[in-house]
Amino acid sequence: DTAVSQTPKYLVTQMGNDKSIKCEQNLGHDTMYWYKQDSKKFLKIMFSYNNKELIINETVPNRFSPKSPDKAHLNLHINSLELGDSAVYFCASSQSGRAAEQYFGPGTRLTVT
Amino acid sequence: SQQGEEDPQALSIQEGENATMNCSYKTSINNLQWYRQNSGRGLVHLILIRSNEREKHSGRLRVTLDTSKKSSSLLITASRAADTASYFCATDIIQGAQKLVFGQGTRLTINP
Repeated sequence: DTAVSQTPKYLVTQMGNDKSIKCEQNLGHDTMYWYKQDSKKFLKIMFSYNNKELIINETVPNRFSPKSPDKAHLNLHINSLELGDSAVYFCASSQSGRAAEQYFGPGTRLTVT
Repeated sequence: SQQGEEDPQALSIQEGENATMNCSYKTSINNLQWYRQNSGRGLVHLILIRSNEREKHSGRLRVTLDTSKKSSSLLITASRAADTASYFCATDIIQGAQKLVFGQGTRLTINP
């Protein structure tokens, strides 16, 4: 009965590879997000989708491509991985609206070697 | 520069004491939220305070908001070892689509 789940939990890969992270929520929310948390714990939004439509794209390199096949899923594909992409990536979801609390997944720790 | 900044960056207290963390931000907000992150886990929502509210309580948590000073504080009373975690404030900025801008967090350690 996990609310927001992500797979995989850990991802170790070499520079130049392409990888995907999957996210699913069973809360019935219509807004989903991807965040990146760096080694200093700074959490920054990357993308936001509302009803499968992209509404926020925070100047993320176009090597990162989110895809939302339906309201319950938001996947993140990363091409040509670089060392600087190493971080923890969190998926989150919320109801629409400005006073909405967000529910976070457990995170995916990506290490690029 | 960041919208939200927490102070202190790290706080270590004895179990049973109160812990106070502060958050300052730069631009006008719709609401401010506090989240907790245990080591190696995702963030968990604690409390939301709207821009027209000054104080809010939830169990042992007390949050204040001063929009004139663009600051908020989170007070945890009667701390427990299980409160050990990082605490983040997040602001929902008025302009543009809803998004939360997080500070870098306060690392709280409760010593038994």
